[in-house]
Amino acid sequence: DTGVSQNPRHKITKRGQNVTFRCDPISEHNRLYWYRQTLGQGPEFLTYFQNEAQLEKSRLLSDRFSAERPKGSFSTLEIQRTEQGDSAMYLCASSFSGGLNTEAFFGQGTRLTVV
Amino acid sequence: TQLLEQSPQFLSIQEGENLTVYCNSSSVFSSLQWYRQEPGEGPVLLVTVVTGGEVKKLKRLTFQFGDARKDSSLHITAAQPGDTGLYLCAGAPGNQFYFGTGTSLTVIP
Repeated sequence: DTGVSQNPRHKITKRGQNVTFRCDPISEHNRLYWYRQTLGQGPEFLTYFQNEAQLEKSRLLSDRFSAERPKGSFSTLEIQRTEQGDSAMYLCASSFSGGLNTEAFFGQGTRLTVV
Repeated sequence: TQLLEQSPQFLSIQEGENLTVYCNSSSVFSSLQWYRQEPGEGPVLLVTVVTGGEVKKLKRLTFQFGDARKDSSLHITAAQPGDTGLYLCAGAPGNQFYFGTGTSLTVIP
C-alpha cells in the first residue's frame, strides 16, 4: 500500500462546470476525511465517512458539494456549478478508528482552479 | 473560533538559528499530531504525542505535549533551508481532525 492517493492532482475548469475528485485511502483505514485548504491556511474540515456512512458534514459544504463512499473504500467529492471561490486545494485523509491514537494520513491533494 | 491556535503565524529566520512553534487550545486532547506541508503537496505526519509532558525527538526537531494535554510545542535546532514549509498541529477531540492555523516557516540560507 503506497498511502492515500488522490486524482487528479490538478484540475482547471470553467465557472459553472461540474468537477469530481477521487480519493483512494489506505486500505485498512475505515475513516476517510475531506478537507479544503486555501493558500497559507490550515485545512478546513468538509466531511468524513466511517466505512460507507457519511457521519458529519461541515456547514462549509454547500448543497453544490456532495461526497460519496459507496463501498467503504474509495470516495468521490463532486462540486456542481463551480464558482471562482471554490478554487482551493482539496485534501483527502484516512485513519483507522479503534485505538487511542488516531492519526490521519493525507494524500497529495487536488488543486482546483476555477476560471 | 479556532480550536487550535498556533503561533507565530509566520517566521523567517537565518540558517542555523533555533525556533519554537506553539500550539494552544482550551480543550483537552488524547493526542496531538504535527504535520509539515510543502507548497502544492499534502501534509506529512511528523509525530504524534500522547502522554501529558511527553517529549519526542526527530533529529533536530523536538516535540513536547503539555502536562494538561491542551498544548504542544515544536522546537527546531539549527534550522536548515530544507525545514522551510507550513507546520500544522492537529488533534481529534471527537470524530474529526481539527487543524491549527499553521506556522509558515522560511529558513534563509
